[in-house]
Amino acid sequence: AQKITQTQPGMFVQEKEAVTLDCTYDTSDQSYGLFWYKQPSSGEMIFLIYQGSYDEQNATEGRYSLNFQKARKSANLVISASQLGDSAMYFCAMREGEYNFNKFYFGSGTKLNVKP
Amino acid sequence: DVKVTQSSRYLVKRTGEKVFLECVQDMDHENMFWYRQDPGLGLRLIYFSYDVKMKEKGDIPEGYSVSREKKERFSLILESASTNQTSMYLCASTPLGADTQYFGPGTRLTVL
Repeated sequence: AQKITQTQPGMFVQEKEAVTLDCTYDTSDQSYGLFWYKQPSSGEMIFLIYQGSYDEQNATEGRYSLNFQKARKSANLVISASQLGDSAMYFCAMREGEYNFNKFYFGSGTKLNVKP
Repeated sequence: DVKVTQSSRYLVKRTGEKVFLECVQDMDHENMFWYRQDPGLGLRLIYFSYDVKMKEKGDIPEGYSVSREKKERFSLILESASTNQTSMYLCASTPLGADTQYFGPGTRLTVL
């Protein structure tokens, strides 16, 4: 079974609108971490936001927020007020395991295009 | 700032060649990782290491080996490169208990 599933290969959003990128995960661990990364066309992976499995509040970082629904095993990324520079690939990832023996899993990514 | 560097941004090799991809991090991180990235497949873990001389297989280790003789350096080795190993290779590192990985810029390898 896939550990991380991103069902939207590509999405379009109008500049200044909000957009939600979907991510579901599969784990039997009680302690895990969820991440979102942005990869522009230049190729570097940019860390956006982190949610721990025990965090009760949804994580927020500026225009990014993570909609964490533990029972549904979903960790959707919400980008508010989209900008042209948000056009990129977005990857959802999960860390399993204890802190000294981490293993990370990545989804297949969502390509976001922001239209002017 | 954390810095993870990879020896080459672009590399072209011939089938059957032995290929070395080097990754160096300057922040004394314990864990280091090698991924390959292919369109529609995301990042897939090849190998990771949580200490010097320690290595663990990831999800797709076949055709690859690794070496970690020093804490800051993690090498990926393609013993006999094949065309299906043409891909983007990303290295990452993480300190213990970290909330994220730090990635290098990637090496785009083409095997002809």
